[in-house]
Amino acid sequence: AQTVTQSQPEMSVQEAETVTLSCTYDTSESDYYLFWYKQPPSRQMILVIRQEAYKQQNATENRFSVNFQKAAKSFSLKISDSQLGDAAMYFCAYRNTGNQFYFGTGTSLTVIP
Amino acid sequence: GAVVSQHPSWVICKSGTSVKIECRSLDFQATTMFWYRQFPKQSLMLMATSNEGSKATYEQGVEKDKFLINHASLTLSTLTVTSAHPEDSSFYICSVVTSWHEQFFGPGTRLTVL
Repeated sequence: AQTVTQSQPEMSVQEAETVTLSCTYDTSESDYYLFWYKQPPSRQMILVIRQEAYKQQNATENRFSVNFQKAAKSFSLKISDSQLGDAAMYFCAYRNTGNQFYFGTGTSLTVIP
Repeated sequence: GAVVSQHPSWVICKSGTSVKIECRSLDFQATTMFWYRQFPKQSLMLMATSNEGSKATYEQGVEKDKFLINHASLTLSTLTVTSAHPEDSSFYICSVVTSWHEQFFGPGTRLTVL
């Protein structure tokens, strides 16, 4: 199984500010997908953003963007203009060619009003 | 996107009994579904890949006789926790991967074994 590492168990950000969540992964594959998922207290997993490994351009979804460094196997998530509703657990995930997902240990994000 | 449901959402059972959890893909025919387990304040751990019409593929360390998976149709996969014990108490989540490579998760099932 591939390894996904999130080195920040907890992060906090002031409302309207920007925060970056880190993620690194280990794989020998060249074709894969990377994801960030959000898990609020309801525990329903919600897709935030995805990145195809073959694409050099970093994915962006409104206030969410990633910094994908393939050679470094790094995939960080930047949240701009943080809102109270962004508070949740964030999981970085790797999907292999068999459609199996492997998740990092998660980062708990607190947004301070 | 695809809608995935799970039933029940919460189950409490006595030690030694078996519990069945259903995962349904409501608007998408899924040849493959996945089962995950999540302990409190921890990550999702892939348990097994459920394949329609064939045997499930289990991740290393997951007991296939303990966690029985049946994927009898393109819209239903079941996970049965046999002879449940308190250490099996956890949050179980299923997911569906669509033909456009997006994954949708069910709302999860909280299992408490007394």
